[in-house]
Amino acid sequence: AQSVTQLDSHVSVSEGTPVLLRCNYSSSYSPSLFWYVQHPNKGLQLLLKYTSAATLVKGINGFEAEFKKSETSFHLTKPSAHMSDAAEYFCVVMGYSSASKIIFGSGTRLSIRP
Amino acid sequence: DTGVSQDPRHKITKRGQNVTFRCDPISEHNRLYWYRQTLGQGPEFLTYFQNEAQLEKSRLLSDRFSAERPKGSFSTLEIQRTEQGDSAMYLCASSTDRGRGYSEAFFGQGTRLTVV
Repeated sequence: AQSVTQLDSHVSVSEGTPVLLRCNYSSSYSPSLFWYVQHPNKGLQLLLKYTSAATLVKGINGFEAEFKKSETSFHLTKPSAHMSDAAEYFCVVMGYSSASKIIFGSGTRLSIRP
Repeated sequence: DTGVSQDPRHKITKRGQNVTFRCDPISEHNRLYWYRQTLGQGPEFLTYFQNEAQLEKSRLLSDRFSAERPKGSFSTLEIQRTEQGDSAMYLCASSTDRGRGYSEAFFGQGTRLTVV
C-alpha cells in the first residue's frame, strides 16, 4: 500500500527567499512520485514527476524535487519564491503495480510575504 | 481542447435528490479516477477504472454512490439521495500506461456540488 505525508500544512516565506515543502512517502514497490499545484479556484496542475530515472527532477516555474530512497522523501524546493507561487501544493504517490492508484497528501499551503 | 472535461462545472441540488456527473478522459487514456475534495483538504480517492473495469472503490463511497465507465471511454458518477455532507468538488482524472507504470494523471476542472 502507498501513502504520503506532507509534514507542513502551511509554509510562509518572503518573496525572493527559498521554498522547501516536505513530503515523505511509503510504498511497497518502486513508486512514481509527483507534485501538483492548485491555485485558488483552479484545477490541479502537474509541477514535476519522478519515475525512477534521475533522482533530481526539474519541473515548471523553477521548482525541483529530489528523490531520496534512504529517507523515503521527495521534498519540493525553489531557490527564490515569487508572489505567484502562493497556492496549495500536493505530494502524490503511485505504485508501480498495475493495481496501483494515485494517493494524495493532505497538502501544504504556501504563502508568500511581500 | 484535448484535456479531461467534466460536466457540469457546478451543480446545486436539494437534499434527497439524485445527481449524475460526467467525465470525458483524454482520448485513449485507459485509466480513469474519481476524487472528492472538500475545502482545505487534499483530494480523497473514491474509485478508479482500468478500461471499463472498476478496479477499486474506496470505503468512503457509500452505497449511495455508483460509478460506471461503459465501453471504457467516458465515466459517470451518480449520487443518490444526496446529503449536505456530499457537498464537495468532484474531480476526475485520467492516465495511460507508458509501458513501465502509469503516467501522471491529468485532472479535469471538477464539478462543484452544493447540497442545500
